[in-house]
Amino acid sequence: SQQGEEDPQALSIQEGENATMNCSYKTSINNLQWYRQNSGRGLVHLILIRSNEREKHSGRLRVTLDTSKKSSSLLITASRAADTASYFCATDGASGGSYIPTFGRGTSLIVHP
Amino acid sequence: NAGVTQTPKFQVLKTGQSMTLQCAQDMNHNSMYWYRQDPGMGLRLIYYSASEGTTDKGEVPNGYNVSRLNKREFSLRLESAAPSQTSVYFCASSDPGQGNSPLHFGNGTRLTVT
Repeated sequence: SQQGEEDPQALSIQEGENATMNCSYKTSINNLQWYRQNSGRGLVHLILIRSNEREKHSGRLRVTLDTSKKSSSLLITASRAADTASYFCATDGASGGSYIPTFGRGTSLIVHP
Repeated sequence: NAGVTQTPKFQVLKTGQSMTLQCAQDMNHNSMYWYRQDPGMGLRLIYYSASEGTTDKGEVPNGYNVSRLNKREFSLRLESAAPSQTSVYFCASSDPGQGNSPLHFGNGTRLTVT
């Protein structure tokens, strides 16, 4: 079963606007990662945030993590048509053992030029 | 540096046929994974290999077998394909020993079972 669930399922915006996607999860985590998938391609890692971090930036990406609410958000600022893709969050359990990232169903983002 | 390479890219099978999906990584990663991706379902883990010589079931292992041939290669076998196995299959690798490093994905194998 999916550990993380993204919201919204689909998002359509104009170029230049900001895009915000949310991820909720159920159990404790060591870290949370965001990935991007262009149509017909594999997933590409964007950013990892550890459970003891609250915010992280990478270029136009900003990720926040609220472990008390078991949620994370991905903000893409000043979006471009090239940002059109599906975005997935992935969590790993904090109970030790093997490293097994679990993915949500994803948010499909369309950025209109 | 090719990363994760999957073959074939596309495959059509008839019900009951068998095939093996190949995956190789050149990043010296210890862990390798097989996921399937279906519309509206996200990625679901089929099998994983935490290190060379070990394999374990994931969320949806039924109908599949895997082999960790060596540190580089991790294959997925469908012994008797069923239409429910029509999906896009992704192989990934990571090196958790380096602080839970991210997954590196191949570009997928698109399988249709008729």
